[in-house]
Amino acid sequence: EVQLLQSGGGLLQPGGSLRVSCAASGFSFSTSAMGWVRQAPGRGLEWVSIMSSSGDYIRYADSVKGRFTISRDNSRNTLYLQMNSLRADDTAVYYCAKESVITTAFDYWGQGTLVTVSS
Amino acid sequence: DIVMTQTPLSSPVTLGQPASISCTSSQSLVHSDGNTYLSWLQQRPGQPPRLLIYKISNRFSGVPDRFSGRGAGTDFTLKISRVEAEDVGIYYCMQATQFPYTFGQGTKLEIK
Repeated sequence: EVQLLQSGGGLLQPGGSLRVSCAASGFSFSTSAMGWVRQAPGRGLEWVSIMSSSGDYIRYADSVKGRFTISRDNSRNTLYLQMNSLRADDTAVYYCAKESVITTAFDYWGQGTLVTVSS
Repeated sequence: DIVMTQTPLSSPVTLGQPASISCTSSQSLVHSDGNTYLSWLQQRPGQPPRLLIYKISNRFSGVPDRFSGRGAGTDFTLKISRVEAEDVGIYYCMQATQFPYTFGQGTKLEIK
């Protein structure tokens, strides 16, 4: 069974930092592209970032470029999102998701991590 | 960026009746490799999204056959042949043809 288990979030002050992790099991993590999608309270889905299986291809949404860093540890089957210089409009539930080579869609999703940025 | 526009934004449906959601992209979603990376996701209340359909019309594993997708180029449709109570939620189309990946605004499916 595919599982993506995310770490907890929290309440951060503007300008603060947080690293969210996503522990994967039940599939070949090292051969899967992985990404992050966020959802502000009561809003729709917004793609944040994606990383190829080997980590040599990375893309970011303009809204987070230069502030967020995606990374992975294939030996630990874990995906990370380092979020720096957080702003109020980064407040959202952050989902990690697996992208399938076959579907080229996000076919499995984590449970979500709530990140609240407020003073 | 490719803008994805869904209609309607809200769809009250009677149980057992069909439902249809449209998604239009601001430019063609045909990739240079010939594939069209348009998918549909369902988000039930309080749950993460769930993949229903990929590459326009392919049902993902475990998705009931009452869900179907069709379309081409810039116009796509998700159909539910007979709505069941468990189908309540928000439905999103998503394009993965070009970065940044983008989603439609979401269509809220509710029971009349």
